[in-house]
Amino acid sequence: GQQLNQSPQSMFIQEGEDVSMNCTSSSIFNTWLWYKQDPGEGPVLLIALYKAGELTSNGRLTAQFGITRKDSFLNISASIPSDVGIYFCAGPSNTGNQFYFGTGTSLTVIP
Amino acid sequence: KAGVTQTPRYLIKTRGQQVTLSCSPISGHRSVSWYQQTPGQGLQFLFEYFSETQRNKGNFPGRFSGRQFSNSRSEMNVSTLELGDSALYLCASSTLQANGYTFGSGTRLTVV
Repeated sequence: GQQLNQSPQSMFIQEGEDVSMNCTSSSIFNTWLWYKQDPGEGPVLLIALYKAGELTSNGRLTAQFGITRKDSFLNISASIPSDVGIYFCAGPSNTGNQFYFGTGTSLTVIP
Repeated sequence: KAGVTQTPRYLIKTRGQQVTLSCSPISGHRSVSWYQQTPGQGLQFLFEYFSETQRNKGNFPGRFSGRQFSNSRSEMNVSTLELGDSALYLCASSTLQANGYTFGSGTRLTVV
């Protein structure tokens, strides 16, 4: 299946710092999604992007749809302890009835 | 509005047994997808159902099967369990795929 690579794999940051992570694909996507998964729970959709170059915010989160359509970026500003979790990017298959997920970025926020 | 409900939350089975997991999607969502999540492999797509029809299947052996009922509820079944089947099984529902899924909390399956 499609491979989505996320980096970094894990991050340890101080509370209040900003966070940046990215996701790259070997092929083009028409949609990029960003999810967050808390321990023991299912992923929750944070932001959806539908257009190359699009920049979308959700509170302290901002995501961008890369111009090449092969990458996407997620930024978290002024991190807080509840930002802890694993962040996944995802993109749809050509048929649209399956999503490919990235390898995940694990975020730890140190109070 | 109720979310995606998966039952049971936790399950322990022995090798060789079979297991059935259940998923109730958000009301009005007709598409239900299943994923297996393991630390080493991440989120792996199992299958997707829409209006009781399997539209897409991932690269899993035939021991993994599923179905969807007329009320959109879905079940997945794993027969002849192996230790490697231990994972978090996630169900997700959606209306339009491009808008993304809503996931349930998952069923944690442990095979001993």
